[in-house]
Amino acid sequence: VVLTQSPATLSLSPGERATLSCRASQSVSSYLAWYQQKPGQAPRLLIYDASNRATGIPARFSGSGSGTDFTLTISSLEPEDFAVYYCQHRGNWPFTFGPGTKVDIK
Amino acid sequence: EVQLVESGGGLVQPGGSLRLSCAASGFTFINYGMNWVRQTPGKGLEWVSGMSGSGRTTFYADSVKGRFTISRDNSRNTLYLQMNSLRAEDTAVYFCAKERAVSGLVDYWGQGTLVTVSS
Repeated sequence: VVLTQSPATLSLSPGERATLSCRASQSVSSYLAWYQQKPGQAPRLLIYDASNRATGIPARFSGSGSGTDFTLTISSLEPEDFAVYYCQHRGNWPFTFGPGTKVDIK
Repeated sequence: EVQLVESGGGLVQPGGSLRLSCAASGFTFINYGMNWVRQTPGKGLEWVSGMSGSGRTTFYADSVKGRFTISRDNSRNTLYLQMNSLRAEDTAVYFCAKERAVSGLVDYWGQGTLVTVSS
């Protein structure tokens, strides 16, 4: 399964809404996760199975979608949210990641 | 608190070998599948290998199959990745990653260890 993310870069200001897209080359059902990664750090799990927030993740992060089209929404960007976001599927082996969307400060 | 600490990375010549270790703490190690995921600037994140808690089930990316071997010592709470016949394209930061109860989903990551394959 090939995952495609768009846009590659999203330039926004704090307080704005961010909408990130992930598209799969074939259906992955709801077996899609989103991770956040900051420079020099490991990825952090945000959302699993398309719409479930991981432990400790703020409510401003939400996920939706099923099949081949998925969305990660950050309702109001905080300064610490500027990072790279990856989607990843676990529908079948090999598990793959998308190329990432960088959310940077406008 | 869950902690995963990788070690064993470094510079190795093409064709050489390296063994990565991941010391785990803060959870019941045998109850969770463990994985190795690598990251390069060019190819992004790649799931390299995984192993079930019991050690009975393993899986490998096609790019490393036959060259890398994943193993675990549940008495020592440690995960390993034996890497043989290393190639330049294996150069990456290797992360140890703990499964979140189901295969293919990671909830904790180590800090990563850099493997550089170069002459």
